[in-house]
Amino acid sequence: DTAVSQTPKYLVTQMGNDKSIKCEQNLGHDTMYWYKQDSKKFLKIMFSYNNKELIINETVPNRFSPKSPDKAHLNLHINSLELGDSAVYFCASSRLGLAEDNEQFFGPGTRLTVL
Amino acid sequence: AQTVTQSQPEMSVQEAETVTLSCTYDTSESNYYLFWYKQPPSRQMILVIRQEAYKQQNATENRFSVNFQKAAKSFSLKISDSQLGDTAMYFCALHQGAQKLVFGQGTRLTINP
Repeated sequence: DTAVSQTPKYLVTQMGNDKSIKCEQNLGHDTMYWYKQDSKKFLKIMFSYNNKELIINETVPNRFSPKSPDKAHLNLHINSLELGDSAVYFCASSRLGLAEDNEQFFGPGTRLTVL
Repeated sequence: AQTVTQSQPEMSVQEAETVTLSCTYDTSESNYYLFWYKQPPSRQMILVIRQEAYKQQNATENRFSVNFQKAAKSFSLKISDSQLGDTAMYFCALHQGAQKLVFGQGTRLTINP
């Protein structure tokens, strides 16, 4: 069984469009994340949710809006896509909330290409 | 601010050799966790090994071990008897509360047959 799944795996779209990426985890974790990996492979946190509540927003443009309908799902909606949004987006989840021992389990990533 | 630095963008070794990937970090906290993640061409992020800052003993997982030097804020990864399947990007990461991982820039490791 896939622990953290993301759909779609690949997304190619035109500039200006609105798109969503979905993430689901079946690990019973309370905390979920979105990371962005740019073309130079640099990984950076975007958002973190704990039990459906936003706890981290790393100065991401408000064109990006995460939504957590329940603690097993964290979706990422992006409005008015720009060329610079092209990247691989990773969803992750973890069991513990505020503890440092916080192994994060990653999804397979979604490669977004904006033309 | 927390930072993680991997000074080796790329490394290449022959199969069965030992290779060490370096990582330095900066944090003002006394307790934190450090991780090494592997990202093979499949893109999947896989946890390789982790170390709690309170523990002096270096973590070991089969062929993977770390050299954790807390005073120097250094956390290197040693891969012994390297295998072709070890070819991947390797990321060092720091976790210190705040529920987020801070990653280094990554080291692209190639194991040659």
